[in-house]
Amino acid sequence: QKEVEQDPGPLSVPEGAIVSLNCTYSNSAFQYFMWYRQYSRKGPELLMYTYSSGNKEDGRFTAQVDKSSKYISLFIRDSQPSDSATYLCAMSVGTGAQKLVFGQGTRLTINP
Amino acid sequence: DSGVTQTPKHLITATGQRVTLRCSPRSGDLSVYWYQQSLDQGLQFLIQYYNGEERAKGNILERFSAQQFPDLHSELNLSSLELGDSALYFCASSATGDGYTFGSGTRLTVV
Repeated sequence: QKEVEQDPGPLSVPEGAIVSLNCTYSNSAFQYFMWYRQYSRKGPELLMYTYSSGNKEDGRFTAQVDKSSKYISLFIRDSQPSDSATYLCAMSVGTGAQKLVFGQGTRLTINP
Repeated sequence: DSGVTQTPKHLITATGQRVTLRCSPRSGDLSVYWYQQSLDQGLQFLIQYYNGEERAKGNILERFSAQQFPDLHSELNLSSLELGDSALYFCASSATGDGYTFGSGTRLTVV
């Protein structure tokens, strides 16, 4: 069993829709949770960085962490065609000099 | 520009050859991580260096090695290359308290 599970999709939604992306994990020691966006043939770009359980909002993006269920989510409101990318969840036990464990990534397409 | 620089961007080489990938971390970041990304495996952690010392190893093959130099740049050496080594290789750097910053990657094609 992988430490981090993420539905690879693909996921296709119309412009303006609310998108929900999810990951589950098995290692209860994970405390730091991140979402990355990766455009085709580019490096992953950090979108959201959260610590422990709760919600964090940044513009159209909301990250949610439920440590009791070992489940994290990323919500995208008012989705735009420019949001079309692969979204990767990642998590680590500590901060800074700690390796990240990534999910497989979900390929998202927003249709105009 | 993320601040993490990787060279070369593309590399085509034959099986059995050896290549070196280079990474310069963001200014001030002491940690450098190497990841391999292939279509069927996602982002796989290879190795981490912190201020010149190896800190953690992931699923890195014995044919692969890395080092971090006193100026903090890092090199990933891949030898006896096989077709299956074709992938995107990413370097990332981090400082305490934030997530990783990735470079734009090196696309390696082994023919």
